[in-house]
Order: sequence, then structure tokens, then C-alpha cells
Amino acid sequence: DIQMTQSPSSLSASVGDRVTITCRARQDISNHLAWYQQKPGKVPKLLIYAASTLQLGVPSRFSGSGSGTDFTLTISSLQPEDVATYYCQKYNDAPLTFGGGTKVEIK
Amino acid sequence: ELQLLESGGDSVQPGGSLRLSCAASGFALSSYDMSWVRQAAGTGLEWVSAMSRSGTSTYYADSVKGRFTISRDNSKNTLYLQMNSLRAEDTALYYCAKAGDMSWYDYWGQGTLVTVSS
Repeated sequence: DIQMTQSPSSLSASVGDRVTITCRARQDISNHLAWYQQKPGKVPKLLIYAASTLQLGVPSRFSGSGSGTDFTLTISSLQPEDVATYYCQKYNDAPLTFGGGTKVEIK
Repeated sequence: ELQLLESGGDSVQPGGSLRLSCAASGFALSSYDMSWVRQAAGTGLEWVSAMSRSGTSTYYADSVKGRFTISRDNSKNTLYLQMNSLRAEDTALYYCAKAGDMSWYDYWGQGTLVTVSS
């Protein structure tokens, strides 16, 4: 099974900062990677699929990049409403593994 | 409006069984891959099981293989997860999730809570 490793596990940044979260697969998954945002007490929300395609309605400050084994989620200017835990997920084949999550807080 | 409504969560003793349901509205289950994803309190998301849109293929996490069974009833537009031989580590909030064109999840239900405890 392909493990998905996210880093960091948590971060604290100031409003307006650029935030980068990485996700690494042990094997090549092409661009079959999605990113989700889960705010405290809420249901996960799809942000990005196919590594870099922004889901409809998601603010343009979110972006994704990467292919193969290394992927990045970037928030270009962190906003207070971005406080959440972010998860990557591979979907090239089963098991459709999630990364361990990155908790983003405001400094 | 597209909705997913899970039900069936309960408190059960180890070794017991439960069947979770996910009633879909606003779309046909048979048109999309569907999955169950769980989340234990204070932890991350864990993919549990998936069914292809054709219904001919099912997939399971190693942690539940042989104990859980995913199925659906197209006439009721409902997805199920039969959970047998439940263990304490199965305690979690179970989400039903709809896949997009591929197996990313664009819609999630609110979840149903399963507690396995003696």
C-alpha cells in the first residue's frame, strides 16, 4: 500500500503569510491527488483535485502543484477563516489513503 | 440539491454488528463511485471502503477487510456498510462520500457515530 506523508503536522502563521504544506507518496501516483480542508467540528471540504485543479467555489488563494511523488498545497495569503486541518488523499487506486493531516493555526 | 444522509450509528459491544446507511438525494448513486471514510475523535481521516459506480467492484482498507461489506440498493438510492466483528478501534464518526469524475470526494454526509465499547 502507498503511504501518504504530510508535513508539517502543524504550523502557526500570521494573517497574510504564505503557507505551504507538502504531501509525499512512496510511489508514483501521477497527478491523482486531492486536498481537503476540515474546519473544527465540520465535514471535510474538497479544495483541489488532480493535484492542481481548484474545486468550484474555492478561493483562488489556494493552489496545488506537483506530480509523481511530491505535492504541495499553498495558501498564498493566510486568512483567519483558513484555520483548519488539511489532508491530502491519493486516488490512483485502492486503498485511497489520506495523509495524516496538517493543522493550520493563526499566530 | 445534492445530499447524503447517514444513519445507523450506535453504541455496540465488541464483537457486535451494525449496518450503516447513506441515503442519497439529488443524484443517482449508480452514476458515481461511493465511499465510506471514518474519523476517530481527535484523529485524521481514514478511508474505509469504496464501491464502483457499476457496483461490480468493491474495495476495503486492510483494517476492515473480511469484517465490513459495502453494498447499495439502487431502488432506494442508498449506500450501506455492514459492519461485523466490531472492535474498539472501529469507534469513529463514519462519513459517506460521493466521488467526482475520479475518486476524489466532492460531497460528504454529516456522518454517523459508531461507538464500540463494553
